[in-house]
Amino acid sequence: QKEVEQNSGPLSVPEGAIASLNCTYSDRGSQSFFWYRQYSGKSPELIMSIYSNGDKEDGRFTAQLNKASQYVSLLIRDSQPSDSATYLCAVLSGGYNKLIFGAGTRLAVHP
Amino acid sequence: DGGITQSPKYLFRKEGQNVTLSCEQNLNHDAMYWYRQDPGQGLRLIYYSQIVNDFQKGDIAEGYSVSREKKESFPLTVTSAQKNPTAFYLCASSLPYRGNEQFFGPGTRLTVL
Repeated sequence: QKEVEQNSGPLSVPEGAIASLNCTYSDRGSQSFFWYRQYSGKSPELIMSIYSNGDKEDGRFTAQLNKASQYVSLLIRDSQPSDSATYLCAVLSGGYNKLIFGAGTRLAVHP
Repeated sequence: DGGITQSPKYLFRKEGQNVTLSCEQNLNHDAMYWYRQDPGQGLRLIYYSQIVNDFQKGDIAEGYSVSREKKESFPLTVTSAQKNPTAFYLCASSLPYRGNEQFFGPGTRLTVL
């Protein structure tokens, strides 16, 4: 069974700090990796996609991928209370063309 | 505006009833998906369809059925055979390229009374 693991949290950070969210995956054949943000009671919203090793930046968000270590992370700079949500890591399973989701990390940004 | 719509937003079902959840998209996406989310858990794939008139079972298809007669529509029926249907149901769609980026509708919250 292909797996995606995330720390459930909550991860609590002060406003203006950097939030670091981590994800590990078991399928070495995976090629596509995604971060979704999900507010309580709402559906997931795609915020970052990353396909190659290294960093990808988009505004306050940076996704980092290390395929050798099977590790994906999401950094949120200058965290705001509006960033408080659950962040879901998703990995496209190499052999099955299906997204496998982690259970999510709950982030709480306090003023 | 392009997007994915799901209806109804809330649905209540009595034991033994079949109910159908609607999912429509005007993004011209080929692939569509149904997921189920339980509290504190990740999304689990129920069914998916890569093209019209074709669909495959996901990881938890038992007690569910789907159809894909039009590119825009992918309804999900929750049958009485589904023993624990209370959950948040999410429909998504994607293009076959761009690494299978999936975009979600607003969801339907189903409660069994």
